[in-house]
Amino acid sequence: KAGVTQTPRYLIKTRGQQVTLSCSPISGHRSVSWYQQTPGQGLQFLFEYFSETQRNKGNFPGRFSGRQFSNSRSEMNVSTLELGDSALYLCASSSGTAGNTIYFGEGSWLTVV
Amino acid sequence: QQPVQSPQAVILREGEDAVINCSSSKALYSVHWYRQKHGEAPVFLMILLKGGEQKGHEKISASFNEKKQQSSLYLTASQLSYSGTYFCGTEGWSSYDKVIFGPGTSLSVIP
Repeated sequence: KAGVTQTPRYLIKTRGQQVTLSCSPISGHRSVSWYQQTPGQGLQFLFEYFSETQRNKGNFPGRFSGRQFSNSRSEMNVSTLELGDSALYLCASSSGTAGNTIYFGEGSWLTVV
Repeated sequence: QQPVQSPQAVILREGEDAVINCSSSKALYSVHWYRQKHGEAPVFLMILLKGGEQKGHEKISASFNEKKQQSSLYLTASQLSYSGTYFCGTEGWSSYDKVIFGPGTSLSVIP
């Protein structure tokens, strides 16, 4: 079955702009989580959506937001981009119940200039 | 609470063994292990559940000490393809708990 699909794969934005990233989870998965990865910082949890509701949120400013649609596809938005937002943004899908495997997408590489 | 991983980095020669450790300060329901190669997405290796059940699909073994909230990943007879950064992710007991990943262990296998 198809894996987790993220678009776009690469993008360059200017400081102050906003960006929207998209994620299509594995068919049947209802949970989508977003992580930010920067060099040397590991995988920082942004938020998780389950059945269109935000179930968990990490310690990121309000400029980072997301949503999930009825077909489980998810988008995350970053407004008023800062240079420090340059990172790999990873989407992960799972069934949403404890102990189930999380599958990552290829990620969206965001560069803010 | 982010789990702690050790060592931070390790260099092996082909054929050598390695152990990567992961510990948490909270009660765990499961521990997830992933490997990430440079420029790629993390790839699932194994998940260990409270009660001893393991789910994985590669020739890599792991253990989960529920009392100590610790897990270890065992890489035996390492191959060049084992190189990458290994992340452990820990999950608590709440059905709403998220998986929190450790800072990663960089593993390099050299000929």
